[in-house]
Amino acid sequence: GENVEQHPSTLSVQEGDSAVIKCTYSDSASNYFPWYKQELGKRPQLIIDIRSNVGEKKDQRIAVTLNKTAKHFSLHITETQPEDSAVYFCAASRNDYKLSFGAGTTVTVRA
Amino acid sequence: EAGVVQSPRYKIIEKKQPVAFWCNPISGHNTLYWYRQNLGQGPELLIRYENEEAVDDSQLPKDRFSAERLKGVDSTLKIQPAELGDSAVYLCASSPETDTQYFGPGTRLTVL
Repeated sequence: GENVEQHPSTLSVQEGDSAVIKCTYSDSASNYFPWYKQELGKRPQLIIDIRSNVGEKKDQRIAVTLNKTAKHFSLHITETQPEDSAVYFCAASRNDYKLSFGAGTTVTVRA
Repeated sequence: EAGVVQSPRYKIIEKKQPVAFWCNPISGHNTLYWYRQNLGQGPELLIRYENEEAVDDSQLPKDRFSAERLKGVDSTLKIQPAELGDSAVYLCASSPETDTQYFGPGTRLTVL
């Protein structure tokens, strides 16, 4: 089955700086890559997703890049704010609706 | 639009007791998922429903876990009997006719 690895496990950034989280996947047939943000005790919320026919997608301060050849994708958060502090999960699936999640990255934005 | 609703939000039981979780998906979402999230890890799929049919239950420990989705809307996940290792957050998610999944708030289960 699909194996998704996520790095780093924790990330501390100064407010206003950028944060980058990287994920690799094992199944070359995977074609859907969502990112979820989960605040403490709350539900995972979809923040952005990308499909394999696109190399990059941006939504305000959040962007995701996908390298199908290398089988990795990354989340970029620019101009970080304290409310960006949360656990971020990447995931991958191959059109069968079965999302395989990474282990998560705890992002702390220092004021 | 109302999100995925789950209840209860918290449940504490002793081992060997039964427990049940309820989920109401977003209106019009035919696909429903149950995930288990252990502390410090990402969610892991337990079962997926298309309407009332369980189309992927390969990760569901069938000796003690069961699920149903009568009438293809609400769903119930049951554990009987619960074990200490079942302590986790149980998340329900739903999706329309795409693979975008929307999660509920989860039920945090503690087995003593």
